[in-house]
Amino acid sequence: GQSLEQPSEVTAVEGAIVQINCTYQTSGFYGLSWYQQHDGGAPTFLSYNALDGLEETGRFSSFLSRSDSYGYLLLQELQMKDSASYFCAGLGGGFQKLVFGTGTRLLVSP
Amino acid sequence: NAGVTQTPKFRVLKTGQSMTLLCAQDMNHEYMYWYRQDPGMGLRLIHYSVGEGTTAKGEVPDGYNVSRLKKQNFLLGLESAAPSQTSVYFCASKDYSYEQYFGPGTRLTVT
Repeated sequence: GQSLEQPSEVTAVEGAIVQINCTYQTSGFYGLSWYQQHDGGAPTFLSYNALDGLEETGRFSSFLSRSDSYGYLLLQELQMKDSASYFCAGLGGGFQKLVFGTGTRLLVSP
Repeated sequence: NAGVTQTPKFRVLKTGQSMTLLCAQDMNHEYMYWYRQDPGMGLRLIHYSVGEGTTAKGEVPDGYNVSRLKKQNFLLGLESAAPSQTSVYFCASKDYSYEQYFGPGTRLTVT
């Protein structure tokens, strides 16, 4: 089956840099997306890696290595508002479907 | 531009009752999705649609039915609710890009 594994929780302080890893156990993913979800809210799109390498969007960067079945989300200059859950998601099914990872809860402290 | 809206926001059902959740999007998106999210877990795909009049099964389709009679609406039905269907249900839509746009969610409790 298809599965994406993430650490359940990561803690960091304001201003720091944190990396959230995602490893997957399937072939057939066209790329890897990342979503943010605040408590009680809806997931919102952060980034998509169609190719191996690093994609940068402001304070957030995302990396993909297909050969290692591995990706990560890098958050820089952490702010309190970054406290949320972060999900990686593999794009499959003919570019139509996402398979979500287990999610990582990020806690940012002062 | 409301984006993706879901009705209702909250619902409590008794075991065996039926209900329909409505998802509407005003972005003219082709693709629409229904997910469920259980506490501390990721989202699991229930059913999806790649265009008006089409539906397809996702990872966890049992106990649910869907319909997409109009491009802007995607309905999720529970014919006979079970406590195992207690969850938060999210609808999402997308065009031909990679980004899915999510609705605010429906919190369903089955007692």
